[in-house]
Amino acid sequence: NAGVMQNPRHLVRRRGQEARLRCSPMKGHSHVYWYRQLPEEGLKFMVYLQKENIIDESGMPKERFSAEFPKEGPSILRIQQVVRGDSAAYFCASSSLLRDRRSGANVLTFGAGSRLTVL
Amino acid sequence: TQLLEQSPQFLSIQEGENLTVYCNSSSVFSSLQWYRQEPGEGPVLLVTVVTGGEVKKLKRLTFQFGDARKDSSLHITAAQPGDTGLYLCAGGNPFSYSGAGSYQLTFGKGTKLSVIP
Repeated sequence: NAGVMQNPRHLVRRRGQEARLRCSPMKGHSHVYWYRQLPEEGLKFMVYLQKENIIDESGMPKERFSAEFPKEGPSILRIQQVVRGDSAAYFCASSSLLRDRRSGANVLTFGAGSRLTVL
Repeated sequence: TQLLEQSPQFLSIQEGENLTVYCNSSSVFSSLQWYRQEPGEGPVLLVTVVTGGEVKKLKRLTFQFGDARKDSSLHITAAQPGDTGLYLCAGGNPFSYSGAGSYQLTFGKGTKLSVIP
């Protein structure tokens, strides 16, 4: 029973290159979330997707960042023209349609993260 | 902007000692979650508290949600080296989207706990 799978686990890019991070949700999960953890900072919400739909991208930087969750295949977080400030751990989480019956919220399962280093 | 402040930032204790870490905010949250994150891994959910004043126990870990739902604490009794890790609190507020009920989590920066054998 594989959990949330993220790859690559580590990615090194030079300034100006593109970074693509992939996330396969847990089996049976149809909601995907991306969070970013900058050095010495807490995790920050970026985007929430369902299959073929971006539900909430209020945490995404306005430029260079995009996310998708196609009908087939993993969710992809794409960062174009990377800069040093993009260096961070990017975590994907997934959830099912079932909610925690007390809080009314979806229960997120996080992946191990993709660590991006921009040289 | 909702913020969660966690204290202390770092804590190093001897095996067998008790400890409490705190999570405070000026905002009200509908629920609060505690996670543990180990180096190189993602956060793993420990508990969700929902009701003001709620206390939940998970073996040697006791979680409390403040009456006003603005703060929370995690108390560990007789800490063990296996408790070492980064403890994160995260506040949640449901937002309405077509009944999906999902929400964004606001995370604190965490308390880094080291338990020395």
